[in-house]
Amino acid sequence: QVQLQESGPGLVKPSQTLSLTCSVSGGSITSHSHYWSWIRQPAGKGLEWIGRFHGTVDTNYNPSLQSRVTISRDTSKNEFSLKLSSVTAADTAIYFCARAPSNSWEAFDIWGQGTVVTVSS
Amino acid sequence: QSVLTQPPSVSAAPGQRVTISCSGSSSDIGDSYISWYRVLPGTAPQLLIYDNNQRPTGIPDRFSGSKIGATGILDITGLQTGDEADYYCATWVGRLTAAEFGGGTKVTVL
Repeated sequence: QVQLQESGPGLVKPSQTLSLTCSVSGGSITSHSHYWSWIRQPAGKGLEWIGRFHGTVDTNYNPSLQSRVTISRDTSKNEFSLKLSSVTAADTAIYFCARAPSNSWEAFDIWGQGTVVTVSS
Repeated sequence: QSVLTQPPSVSAAPGQRVTISCSGSSSDIGDSYISWYRVLPGTAPQLLIYDNNQRPTGIPDRFSGSKIGATGILDITGLQTGDEADYYCATWVGRLTAAEFGGGTKVTVL
């Protein structure tokens, strides 16, 4: 059974870089059968897709965040990471990592429990 | 501002039916599949429907989905108090190379 677990600092100062990691167990992030994404939800607001990667090469980002986002992977640890630079209060949210099948790109079938990140000085 | 439009809220009595719409355009929903998610307070989203009308294992048939043109529909029949939650649609937008979620619909069981 595949499980995802987010980790990282819960508090980030404005203008700094938010860094989170998603640890994957029960499945391989190098599999070409799935895409691995980051998604967030600000308090009281809706879901926002941040970006994804597939296998070892293909990466896509939300155009509205693309200039500040980097998603990378550590295959030796079977985990992937999110870096969001120049954060502001608007980046305060619950951050989720999630998996989608390669043939259903919008079908996020497994999610981590989420981690709360607050941007504040 | 999402490219997918959902009603902010819908409500019905226990045992009744609610229908949630997700309206887009020919370049997003009209050109792709739609999925639906339920978000209970303090929990991660749960996939209810994918590929317009498919249910993952374990999702009861009270939940059904359909798509007509550029509008997706989620039907919930036999409404239960445990169905009170926020519901989101999602699709892949090829012209953006990005996934998009709807703004969400709050379901209230009267």
